[in-house]
Amino acid sequence: AQTVTQSQPEMSVQEAETVTLSCTYDTSESDYYLFWYKQPPSRQMILVIRQEAYKQQNATENRFSVNFQKAAKSFSLKISDSQLGDAAMYFCAYSGDDKIIFGKGTRLHILP
Amino acid sequence: GAGVSQSPSNKVTEKGKDVELRCDPISGHTALYWYRQSLGQGLEFLIYFQGNSAPDKSGLPSDRFSAERTGGSVSTLTIQRTQQEDSAVYLCASSPERVVYNEQFFGPGTRLTVL
Repeated sequence: AQTVTQSQPEMSVQEAETVTLSCTYDTSESDYYLFWYKQPPSRQMILVIRQEAYKQQNATENRFSVNFQKAAKSFSLKISDSQLGDAAMYFCAYSGDDKIIFGKGTRLHILP
Repeated sequence: GAGVSQSPSNKVTEKGKDVELRCDPISGHTALYWYRQSLGQGLEFLIYFQGNSAPDKSGLPSDRFSAERTGGSVSTLTIQRTQQEDSAVYLCASSPERVVYNEQFFGPGTRLTVL
């Protein structure tokens, strides 16, 4: 069965610094997608970035980028130049043929 | 366009009562998901609807939980004989269809408190 693990329940970063959130997963499928979602304190979850397993190039969206290591089943999120608005819960998610699975989340605090 | 909406935003009920939570997905989205988010936990999958297909109910925690989706649009999650452990935020999400690459669009959630 597929699993998604986020080993860091909470993290803090100084404003303008860079932070990396970890995510590992387990699957026997060869084609799948991985996502990072952000849930700000107002609760509405939004997509941050997605990565197709077949693409070797790491996805990038402005200040957000991923480090996708398929063999290691690792999918970390890097946030550069952290801003106060980045404070949120971040969820890693796996989407395969069968189902979508979310990790337990990492709460990110931004220190001014 | 309008996003996913959920009502009520907050619901307080007494143990043993039934509750109904409503989700209005984005118009045209055929896939609809319900999740439960408890404090300190991730998103627990409950149920998934795709068009006119039979729903995937594999995540429902007990037979007190049920959901329906009328006309391929609005969905209602019903919890019968609520228990204190049912207290959580219930999130609904929709997507254009269930394919691996589609993102899910989430509603704001309903915070359920069972006293």
